[in-house]
Amino acid sequence: AQSVTQLGSHVSVSEGALVLLRCNYSSSVPPYLFWYVQYPNQGLQLLLKYTTGATLVKGINGFEAEFKKSETSFHLTKPSAHMSDAAEYFCAVSPASGGYQKVTFGTGTKLQVIP
Amino acid sequence: NAGVMQNPRHLVRRRGQEARLRCSPMKGHSHVYWYRQLPEEGLKFMVYLQKENIIDESGMPKERFSAEFPKEGPSILRIQQVVRGDSAAYFCASSTGDSMNTEAFFGQGTRLTVV
Repeated sequence: AQSVTQLGSHVSVSEGALVLLRCNYSSSVPPYLFWYVQYPNQGLQLLLKYTTGATLVKGINGFEAEFKKSETSFHLTKPSAHMSDAAEYFCAVSPASGGYQKVTFGTGTKLQVIP
Repeated sequence: NAGVMQNPRHLVRRRGQEARLRCSPMKGHSHVYWYRQLPEEGLKFMVYLQKENIIDESGMPKERFSAEFPKEGPSILRIQQVVRGDSAAYFCASSTGDSMNTEAFFGQGTRLTVV
């Protein structure tokens, strides 16, 4: 069984400030972890993913996330928020080697960037 | 290489009518996944299909919902006798189906409104 908890359904940051979106997961087997971004009326776009290897993962648009097994976390960060980062972000987990059909999504965090 | 194509983008149906949602996967992808997104919720897995086969339909409601992915043509998600609770965004994703596959690509979704 697996699950994802995203802390904070809405997060507001000032333009230029640090972005931190929290994600904790639960998985009975080694996980693969994902962050997706969804712009209004659009589909999901993959930001980054962790499968194996380096625990600090860099993605598109300056985002990165760190897999911390001891904390069962995969928080998403960006040093400096840009207005174009305003969107909804979804964390997701799947069992390693389980194939994509086993992905479980969190409920999402809406990021607001204040000028 | 076109992405995952879903149509229509917006669909309005009266209660009791049928809704047909179409998904054309990316070129070279033979696996399709359907998800439903209700307001303020994450994506919920509905069904996973390969060409001419339903692999996993554990997320599909037992009644009124069906899905297919024929040998030729798009995947179809069919909802019979729609009710207001079916109003949601329905997303399709596709992948290569490799057992170690760790990514699927999403379409822009079909937003179904039942009036």
